[in-house]
Amino acid sequence: QVTLKESGPGILQPSQTLSLTCTFSGFSLSTYGMGVGWIRQPSGKGLEWLANIWWDDDKYYNPSLKNRLTISKDTSNNQAFLKITNVDTADTATYYCARIPMGITPDYWGQGVMVTVSS
Amino acid sequence: DIQMTQSPASLSASLGETISIECRASEDIYSNLAWYQQKSGKSPQLLIYAANRLQDGVPSRFSGSGSGTQYSLKISGMQPEDEGDYFCLQGSKFPWTFGGGTKLELK
Repeated sequence: QVTLKESGPGILQPSQTLSLTCTFSGFSLSTYGMGVGWIRQPSGKGLEWLANIWWDDDKYYNPSLKNRLTISKDTSNNQAFLKITNVDTADTATYYCARIPMGITPDYWGQGVMVTVSS
Repeated sequence: DIQMTQSPASLSASLGETISIECRASEDIYSNLAWYQQKSGKSPQLLIYAANRLQDGVPSRFSGSGSGTQYSLKISGMQPEDEGDYFCLQGSKFPWTFGGGTKLELK
């Protein structure tokens, strides 16, 4: 059974760094072709893809976030991470992580974690 | 970036009605398209991948079709549990991009 769960700080102030953790089970990020992605959704709005990391540590980022993103993984502990530097109110959203098996777009998603940026 | 134009933005359907939702890509995405359903307060659920492949466990009333830049999701016989938001996602080229969404309600 594949499950993913996101965790994060809940609330943070502008200019701080947002650190998110995705803890998953039922698959391994050391499996050939496997990936994990991060996607966010402001309340009442659409979805925005942020970044992917693959079994071989290859990474892709959404260039719209202008080098503010860093994705990483801890294969032995079944976790993936996303950092967003210099946050502002526009980063307020629910953040999801999702499994990405090779050749298929995200199939299993976590429940999401809400992050609010406010002074 | 590839732009995904999804229509309609909202739709109201009667029980048993067949409906379609469209996504148009700004360039050829070679069938690298997925459809998701999102119910209120929940995470998206994968319905269709590779344009026309039904995800395991998804009812057969859902189907996908299309190629090139034009894709559609069809629900053959609207059910109450089909209410929700629907999104398309292109996975052909980074950055991956989503359609703007369709809100489907039961009439």
